Amino acid sequence: DADVTQTPRNRITKTGKRIMLECSQTKGHDRMYWYRQDPGLGLRLIYYSFDVKDINKGEISDGYSVSRQAQAKFSLSLESAIPNQTALYFCATSDWTGWGAETQYFGPGTRLLVL
Amino acid sequence: DAKTTQPTSMDCAEGRAANLPCNHSTISGNEYVYWYRQIHSQGPQYIIHGLKNNETNEMASLIITEDRKSSTLILPHATLRDTAVYYCIVRRLYNQGGKLIFGQGTELSVKP
Repeated sequence: DADVTQTPRNRITKTGKRIMLECSQTKGHDRMYWYRQDPGLGLRLIYYSFDVKDINKGEISDGYSVSRQAQAKFSLSLESAIPNQTALYFCATSDWTGWGAETQYFGPGTRLLVL
Repeated sequence: DAKTTQPTSMDCAEGRAANLPCNHSTISGNEYVYWYRQIHSQGPQYIIHGLKNNETNEMASLIITEDRKSSTLILPHATLRDTAVYYCIVRRLYNQGGKLIFGQGTELSVKP
């Protein structure tokens, strides 16, 4: 979905380096998410943010940190990259307003390789 | 959120309707049925959702049985670009955690 963009699309880094993955959205949504996907596995939630001041850990937050700079921007950092963080990373936004159905819209993903 | 069961894989001829089933026998009254798909290594794409009535949009139709224990996603005229893994997801109306739980999904292959 072009309304959710991720940069970079591909990244190769070395063990121990700090890197940042960025996500921007033009949908005007308050909720944003970071997931990772490993080959043959489903998506796992790293962090999520319900608004600029509300950030929550997901199921696999160790080794990651996030920053919600504005409603439209949600960045994921790997403080000291390790090889098992090699994965496909997706950012998503949600249209949930507190009632009813919630639809999540995903970015194109960042493919990260940690050597 | 209720558990879902889908066939591992399905084939469909190009131009024909693709009917993807999903069982969610433990679904409760305040849970929606969602369908997403993921084309190889791309971001998951929302398709459609419903509560109890059948739904249709520009991509697909969703048929939910009267007892809500199963549903079928219908792609009316499948094309090669519809080849993807399709996920059926059940979520509570007031899911505060926000996480989408993707099961194994159905790998749909559309063949010429």
